Amino acid sequence: DSGVTQTPKHLITATGQRVTLRCSPRSGDLSVYWYQQSLDQGLQFLIQYYNGEERAKGNILERFSAQQFPDLHSELNLSSLELGDSALYFCASSRSSGRGTGELFFGEGSRLTVL
Amino acid sequence: AQKVTQAQTEISVVEKEDVTLDCVYETRDTTYYLFWYKQPPSGELVFLIRRNSFDEQNEISGRYSWNFQKSTSSFNFTITASQVVDSAVYFCALSVYNNNDMRFGAGTRLTVKP
Repeated sequence: DSGVTQTPKHLITATGQRVTLRCSPRSGDLSVYWYQQSLDQGLQFLIQYYNGEERAKGNILERFSAQQFPDLHSELNLSSLELGDSALYFCASSRSSGRGTGELFFGEGSRLTVL
Repeated sequence: AQKVTQAQTEISVVEKEDVTLDCVYETRDTTYYLFWYKQPPSGELVFLIRRNSFDEQNEISGRYSWNFQKSTSSFNFTITASQVVDSAVYFCALSVYNNNDMRFGAGTRLTVKP
């Protein structure tokens, strides 16, 4: 158990809909990362927050947004969903401030299926 | 730009065999970090090891060992006396200092048969 909690574990929705994925980092970790894992793209970095502030952006679509709250939990919002958004979405946390130095601890992922 | 290549898509071995998973990386930065993660069938990603670019010492942890060679830009992972529980997808990853975009390889699916 990594200590990172993600909800929901599974989500099935229709195209055009909007969903929110939730992540609670390990106790004491200030950095939260979101990754998308799909069969064709592999593991892709989406976005990172550190202590409530956005630190880095990867291949995140404009239809997606995220935020980190004062209690350090984070939410990833996916809107206008398309079939291609079906994937496993991972949240990871890290103790480091995010200079690329620290290991990431991953949650179990949220599997999103868009029908 | 950073890139990680895991050329072996799938490997199948019989229990107790040794197996090496290859990882080749590309970066122009001099300060960088290499990682291995394990993704068992249950789906979560489990951190195995981190290595920084200034430490080329090989590491051994039980049946696991890692060989870091800057000269060939490789960070290979060997499992000795493999067990069925080692069956998983293994990812090699690279991050550079001051950049939060950790790049993952495509992964190697290891199947250990009894």
